[in-house]
Amino acid sequence: EVQLVESGGGLVQPGGSLRLSCAASGFIFSSYWVHWVRQAPGKGLVWVSRINGDEINTNYADSVKGRFTISRDNAKNTVYLQMNSLRAEDTAVYYCGRANSAWSIDYWGQGTLVTVSS
Amino acid sequence: QSALTQPASVSGSPGQSITISCTGTSSDIGGYNYVSWYQQHPGKAPQLMIYAVSNRPSGISNRFSGSKSGNTASLTISGLQAEDEADYYCSSHISSGTSDVVFGGGTKLTVL
Repeated sequence: EVQLVESGGGLVQPGGSLRLSCAASGFIFSSYWVHWVRQAPGKGLVWVSRINGDEINTNYADSVKGRFTISRDNAKNTVYLQMNSLRAEDTAVYYCGRANSAWSIDYWGQGTLVTVSS
Repeated sequence: QSALTQPASVSGSPGQSITISCTGTSSDIGGYNYVSWYQQHPGKAPQLMIYAVSNRPSGISNRFSGSKSGNTASLTISGLQAEDEADYYCSSHISSGTSDVVFGGGTKLTVL
């Protein structure tokens, strides 16, 4: 069974940092790209970042570029999202998701809440 | 990049059919056959319902169908059921210097 489990969310002050983890199981992890998508309270889905299976090729939304870093450890079947210089507008539930070959996310984690507030 | 445009809400009675539109540009929907649709119930993670414009993942009811014409994609749900009441989001791959994927703003489906 394919599973993705996020962790690492919590309350952080503006300007602070947080690292999210996405632990995967049930599939050949290194063969799949992984996306991060966030959803602010009461709002819609917003794409954040993506990493290829090779651990090298990445991309970011303009709103997080230069502040967030995505990485993965294929030996640990885990993707990370390092979030620095956090702002109030980064407050959201962060989901990780496995990408299929058609730019879709076919499996999603349950999400982890990040709250940026003083 | 701007989000894809969806109606804020649609409604229908049980057994009826509804269609949700999703309008983009030639840089996203119009340029690729990579439109997806997701269903999200309150407090839950999204679930993939349609990928590559009109393909259903395994386990998704054939009451859900997708199509595309030009820069606009559509999701049709036939034989509406109470459990279809949820938020629906479209997404598309986008040819942008930065982003990979753009989502629509979401549509709240109410089953009357």
